Amino acid sequence: AQSVAQPEDQVNVAEGNPLTVKCTYSVSGNPYLFWYVQYPNRGLQFLLKYITGDNLVKGSYGFEAEFNKSQTSFHLKKPSALVSDSALYFCAVSGDNFNKFYFGSGTKLNVKP
Amino acid sequence: ETGVTQTPRHLVMGMTNKKSLKCEQHLGHNAMYWYKQSAKKPLELMFVYNFKEQTENNSVPSRFSPECPNSSHLFLHLHTLQPEDSALYLCASSQASGRGGASYNEQFFGPGTRLTVL
Repeated sequence: AQSVAQPEDQVNVAEGNPLTVKCTYSVSGNPYLFWYVQYPNRGLQFLLKYITGDNLVKGSYGFEAEFNKSQTSFHLKKPSALVSDSALYFCAVSGDNFNKFYFGSGTKLNVKP
Repeated sequence: ETGVTQTPRHLVMGMTNKKSLKCEQHLGHNAMYWYKQSAKKPLELMFVYNFKEQTENNSVPSRFSPECPNSSHLFLHLHTLQPEDSALYLCASSQASGRGGASYNEQFFGPGTRLTVL
């Protein structure tokens, strides 16, 4: 069965500091992994994905994620956090059939000035 | 309009009412989804439609009834709901990689309908 875990409910970081939001996954085949961001009272917005190839994936708004097969992780990173990055972040993995996706529980990122 | 739209954005209904949520995607996608998002709970997948066929019903109570008349439109019909059904209902679409198997294409989400059941 496919699943993802986001071990942190909340991450706090000061503006200008690097940030990491953690995600680990469990899949039965090749993993297709995604990160989404959700601002208050809005739908989810796609940030980036890993399908194959380079383990470091770059996405929107300066975010990047590193795929680590041995650790089954796909952590979201940004070198310098902005207050406007404060939002809810979801990791997701594509399921094994019929275009089904499995989402993590979400991590609330708080960036303080 | 572009992307995925949802109407209404807010809905308040009594337990005996019947209402419908509408979702429309303008992206030419062939897969559509309904999710429920409650406070302090993970995103819950409710239904999946691939090529207008329902391929997933995630043990959703029968008071929720989906309808997908074509690949661009998705409805969620609501009747005799309970207060615990109050939540943000999100619609999403994606380009299916095929008629089965995992998808490497991301989903596009609508802004959601905030539902309150009194």
